[in-house]
Amino acid sequence: EADIYQTPRYLVIGTGKKITLECSQTMGHDKMYWYQQDPGMELHLIHYSYGVNSTEKGDLSSESTVSRIRTEHFPLTLESARPSHTSQYLCASSEFGGSQPQHFGDGTRLSIL
Amino acid sequence: KNEVEQSPQNLTAQEGEFITINCSYSVGISALHWLQQHPGGGIVSLFMLSSGKKKHGRLIATINIQEKHSSLHITASHPRDSAVYICAVKFDRGSQGNLIFGKGTKLSVKP
Repeated sequence: EADIYQTPRYLVIGTGKKITLECSQTMGHDKMYWYQQDPGMELHLIHYSYGVNSTEKGDLSSESTVSRIRTEHFPLTLESARPSHTSQYLCASSEFGGSQPQHFGDGTRLSIL
Repeated sequence: KNEVEQSPQNLTAQEGEFITINCSYSVGISALHWLQQHPGGGIVSLFMLSSGKKKHGRLIATINIQEKHSSLHITASHPRDSAVYICAVKFDRGSQGNLIFGKGTKLSVKP
């Protein structure tokens, strides 16, 4: 049963709009992640956080930004959406330290027209 | 360079067949994960291992640290096993300790 929630599941929106993808987890995990995945391709880390007020950029450069004001909430924002942002965005969380399993949300499929 | 390679890319099997999916990586790791991604997009963690073998139901994961290779086996495969199976590793060095993912193996089990 999922303890990490992403909204919306699907979003089709026009170019230039500001978008916020929501991610919340109820497990009290310190570490949270955002991944981007194009169809048929591997996941790429775009942002991660070690805890409140911590945000780091991942391996894949992204025009999106994130914030971590509360432990349970890790939203991702695109200030001005473009067609190149069309992709699936997956949020995950894990306990901090060592090699901990990651728990994934169901993802948001974003399509920019 | 920290790399993860999976094979095969696509796999079609008949119900009941024994299935093996392979994962190779380039340098030393501290942990390897096997994940399952269903067509809806959600991902479930199947195994996390750093040595030896783990079993859960019809799924078995093995890892050979010396050969830098892991396998995921599915016994008595069923159509509900159809999904993309992803190998992800945490390398000893680099990648800021984050997971690096393979491209996945798309499995289709026919009834």
